[in-house]
Amino acid sequence: AQKITQTQPGMFVQEKEAVTLDCTYDTSDPSYGLFWYKQPSSGEMIFLIYQGSYDQQNATEGRYSLNFQKARKSANLVISASQLGDSAMYFCAMREISSSGNTGKLIFGQGTTLQVKP
Amino acid sequence: DAGVTQSPTHLIKTRGQQVTLRCSPKSGHDTVSWYQQALGQGPQFIFQYYEEEERQRGNFPDRFSGHQFPNYSSELNVNALLLGDSALYLCASSLAGGTGELFFGEGSRLTVL
Repeated sequence: AQKITQTQPGMFVQEKEAVTLDCTYDTSDPSYGLFWYKQPSSGEMIFLIYQGSYDQQNATEGRYSLNFQKARKSANLVISASQLGDSAMYFCAMREISSSGNTGKLIFGQGTTLQVKP
Repeated sequence: DAGVTQSPTHLIKTRGQQVTLRCSPKSGHDTVSWYQQALGQGPQFIFQYYEEEERQRGNFPDRFSGHQFPNYSSELNVNALLLGDSALYLCASSLAGGTGELFFGEGSRLTVL
């Protein structure tokens, strides 16, 4: 069965420093997608970055980058130059990519609460 | 461009009651998925609707049901509410055949007393 593990319940980082949020996954499917979402206190899940299992390069989106190590089944999120507004809950998620196309079923981890200190 | 909108934002029910939550997908999207997020947990997939049919379902009892309308909006119904149904219910929309990126609403926070 698919599973996402986030082992850091809470993290602190100093403003302007970089931080890495850990994510490991388990799947027997060769095709899958990995996502990171940010959830502020408002509740909305905000998409940050996506990595496909066949993508050769690590995904980057502005200050966000995904350190994808396929053999280790890890997909860590790196946030560079942290800002106070980055304080939120962060979720790693995975989705199978079936032959019938993408589905809406994401498997989420337990999340990591990030607090950015001024 | 309107994003995903959900209503109501907050509601309180008592055990045994029934609740209906509503979702309007992002403009241009045709697929709606529902998730339940208990406090301090990651979201859990309930089901997905496309072309007015339930296409995929997570591990939730039949008390949880849904509907999708011709305009792609969707409802989530929960019958015979239990205390354990207290959670944030998130709706996500996507475009079938697209990249599969999900856009989430801000959720409906349900409290069951």
